[in-house]
Amino acid sequence: GQSLEQPSEVTAVEGAIVQINCTYQTSGFYGLSWYQQHDGGAPTFLSYNALDGLEETGRFSSFLSRSDSYGYLLLQELQMKDSASYFCAVINSGAGSYQLTFGKGTKLSVIP
Amino acid sequence: NAGVTQTPKFRVLKTGQSMTLLCAQDMNHEYMYWYRQDPGMGLRLIHYSVGEGTTAKGEVPDGYNVSRLKKQNFLLGLESAAPSQTSVYFCASNPTGGSNQPQHFGDGTRLSIL
Repeated sequence: GQSLEQPSEVTAVEGAIVQINCTYQTSGFYGLSWYQQHDGGAPTFLSYNALDGLEETGRFSSFLSRSDSYGYLLLQELQMKDSASYFCAVINSGAGSYQLTFGKGTKLSVIP
Repeated sequence: NAGVTQTPKFRVLKTGQSMTLLCAQDMNHEYMYWYRQDPGMGLRLIHYSVGEGTTAKGEVPDGYNVSRLKKQNFLLGLESAAPSQTSVYFCASNPTGGSNQPQHFGDGTRLSIL
């Protein structure tokens, strides 16, 4: 089976940096993705890591360590609009296609 | 470009009723997916399709059927709705199912079964 663990809630101050961790157990691992979802909205893609290391996209960075089955999403210069749920998702292969298995999500609250 | 469009956006059903949720994408994507999202549970894959005329089961397929008669459309059916199927349903698509390709989600259908 597959399992992902991420904190259920995180609170951080506007302008600060926050890290959301994700640990996973899976077979046929190909990569780790992160999605953002505002309340009542659709999930939107943030990042993808297939190899160990850090990927940076603007204020957001994502890290993967395949040997530790661990990744994190780093949000810098937090803004109020970053208040949302963040989901890590492992990409693995099954039945000839790649599939996403999502974690339960981390609700980030950014406070003034 | 509309992207991924889901209809209806909201629906209330009585136990035992049937309905079909429609997902349409205008990006010429091969792969399409149906997920359900329950509070505190993240998204769980119900069924998916790797191309026109194909469907496959995901993690939680029981009680649902799907069809992909046209490449742009992916239908999710509930034959006999149950309260346990109260959820928010999301459709997604991606170009060719590659591991590095993001999934593009619709805005969701909020379904309540009484």
